[in-house]
Amino acid sequence: GAVVSQHPSRVICKSGTSVKIECRSLDFQATTMFWYRQFPKKSLMLMATSNEGSKATYEQGVEKDKFLINHASLTLSTLTVTSAHPEDSSFYICSARGGTWESTDTQYFGPGTRLTVL
Amino acid sequence: AQTVTQSQPEMSVQEAETVTLSCTYDTSESNYYLFWYKQPPSRQMILVIRQEAYKQQNATENRFSVNFQKAAKSFSLKISDSQLGDTAMYFCAFRAGNQFYFGTGTSLTVIP
Repeated sequence: GAVVSQHPSRVICKSGTSVKIECRSLDFQATTMFWYRQFPKKSLMLMATSNEGSKATYEQGVEKDKFLINHASLTLSTLTVTSAHPEDSSFYICSARGGTWESTDTQYFGPGTRLTVL
Repeated sequence: AQTVTQSQPEMSVQEAETVTLSCTYDTSESNYYLFWYKQPPSRQMILVIRQEAYKQQNATENRFSVNFQKAAKSFSLKISDSQLGDTAMYFCAFRAGNQFYFGTGTSLTVIP
């Protein structure tokens, strides 16, 4: 099946620093990748949708300059949390949707990244 | 607007019994897909089952099956012979075009 990896799985950083999270589709080409944020015992909150080679589309209320998304290739998207603050602490999940018949209509999720900002 | 509603925040079931999780959705689209995802304590989202709206036959994956009622916009998940490893959050999701919508989730606990 389609596999999505995410790195790092856990990161702790100081307030004011930037953190980059990588999302990779391992066995399929992801034409579209999604970035979500999930609060404890809550549903997924879509932050942005990115298509390979084009600018990401951000959901209302998500700061573009704070959450930088790059989808430079068909297998890699990155989310950079710039000048992180404690309120950015959360669980971030990426997902990918591909170009093959099997994966084109389904999102496959990465294992998530736990970000803690001190 | 597209919405997905899961009206059961928490459910429990005895091991080996059957449980049904409900999901309703609202859309004006004619072509769409429906999904159930499972999120165990590890927090890895796992695809459980999916259903194409144009298919009348209910999808089945081993112990998991759906009851898809298109006219009623209902998409419930039945788990048969519940196992301890089924304990997780279950999210119903809907996709139309490039947009995905998730329900608020149902926390299922399987009791030994």
